[in-house]
Amino acid sequence: EAGVAQSPRYKIIEKRQSVAFWCNPISGHATLYWYQQILGQGPKLLIQFQNNGVVDDSQLPKDRFSAERLKGVDSTLKIQPAKLEDSAVYLCASSWRTGGNYGYTFGSGTRLTVV
Amino acid sequence: SQQGEEDPQALSIQEGENATMNCSYKTSINNLQWYRQNSGRGLVHLILIRSNEREKHSGRLRVTLDTSKKSSSLLITASRAADTASYFCATAGGGADGLTFGKGTHLIIQP
Repeated sequence: EAGVAQSPRYKIIEKRQSVAFWCNPISGHATLYWYQQILGQGPKLLIQFQNNGVVDDSQLPKDRFSAERLKGVDSTLKIQPAKLEDSAVYLCASSWRTGGNYGYTFGSGTRLTVV
Repeated sequence: SQQGEEDPQALSIQEGENATMNCSYKTSINNLQWYRQNSGRGLVHLILIRSNEREKHSGRLRVTLDTSKKSSSLLITASRAADTASYFCATAGGGADGLTFGKGTHLIIQP
């Protein structure tokens, strides 16, 4: 089966600019996650979707980050305006459904550098 | 916040030796999972162990879980150069929460 697709692979922007990331999960996976991974740390959950509804966005900095999942399939994560501390790898993952004993399938991530 | 704490933070061994990594967590879990991440890549799911299981095997991987001590270990036997990567434990609570990851163990296999 095809994996989780993410684009772009790399992005360099200046602070205060905006940026958007795209994710296409594995077909049939109801749950989609966005994680932020700062260099040297483990991934931190930003937002979790079940189909096109938000399950958990408690760690999403809502003053600058937004995300949506179009028709319960693709998802976009946006940062506006970006700060230097947003430099990180943004990982998208999907699983069959929330809860339960399922592993996640991760995409290769988007490496964001804010200068 | 990060639930799991891996130990050690870094580990360097010779090819052919066994590698053991440990993970401790704080709250009750539904399952615990281990992932591998090669430099600059996404995470790859290795193995999942349920809270009512004590040990699980997959190829050269052996995972143990002690819920009374809130700890898990990952053993990689007969290590290979290709095993060089960062390894993360991640915990899933009983509800609809997403996985919570630790900071990882960076494993280097010396040829």
